[in-house]
Amino acid sequence: EPEVTQTPSHQVTQMGQEVILRCVPISNHLYFYWYRQILGQKVEFLVSFYNNEISEKSEIFDDQFSVERPDGSNFTLKIRSTKLEDSAMYFCASSSDHGVGGYTFGSGTRLTVV
Amino acid sequence: KNEVEQSPQNLTAQEGEFITINCSYSVGISALHWLQQHPGGGIVSLFMLSSGKKKHGRLIATINIQEKHSSLHITASHPRDSAVYICAVLNNNDMRFGAGTRLTVKP
Repeated sequence: EPEVTQTPSHQVTQMGQEVILRCVPISNHLYFYWYRQILGQKVEFLVSFYNNEISEKSEIFDDQFSVERPDGSNFTLKIRSTKLEDSAMYFCASSSDHGVGGYTFGSGTRLTVV
Repeated sequence: KNEVEQSPQNLTAQEGEFITINCSYSVGISALHWLQQHPGGGIVSLFMLSSGKKKHGRLIATINIQEKHSSLHITASHPRDSAVYICAVLNNNDMRFGAGTRLTVKP
């Protein structure tokens, strides 16, 4: 069964450093998403991406966040200057039809900012 | 008030019991998803519903659009069903999540 692949599975970074979280969505999917889950809290939507541009973003997705699809297969989330409160599990997901037919989630990247 | 409310927050059952998890939402939606999050953190999509009822193995999901309510049922529960079950609604272009129901099934 096709999978969404996320790398790395765990990343530790110093506060103030830039991090890039990587995702390889399912190849024929057109819609891509990033979510985060702070430990012990519910999953939160960050951003959706379609046709090489952001289609929706939440208030969490401020200027320190950016997304990119650099090469037609990878979908990346960049956090420019990490803060302690960015520590969370970050999930990538993709769908073929904007979620109406279902999403496929990656297994997540646990980001720890120290 | 949260846009997506789940109940109960925690649920402990004996193996073989019938389980019901409820989800109520307050926004207009195009679809509702039930997700399963394993202890390791990974998320699996179980169902997507926009009306009626769906069944997959021992899992059944129903939705009542008029009442803005959905239920997830597990028949003949098993310890491997232990996980957090999350209701999420698709509203415009983003997905809103419930806080999850932590299910523990004891042998």
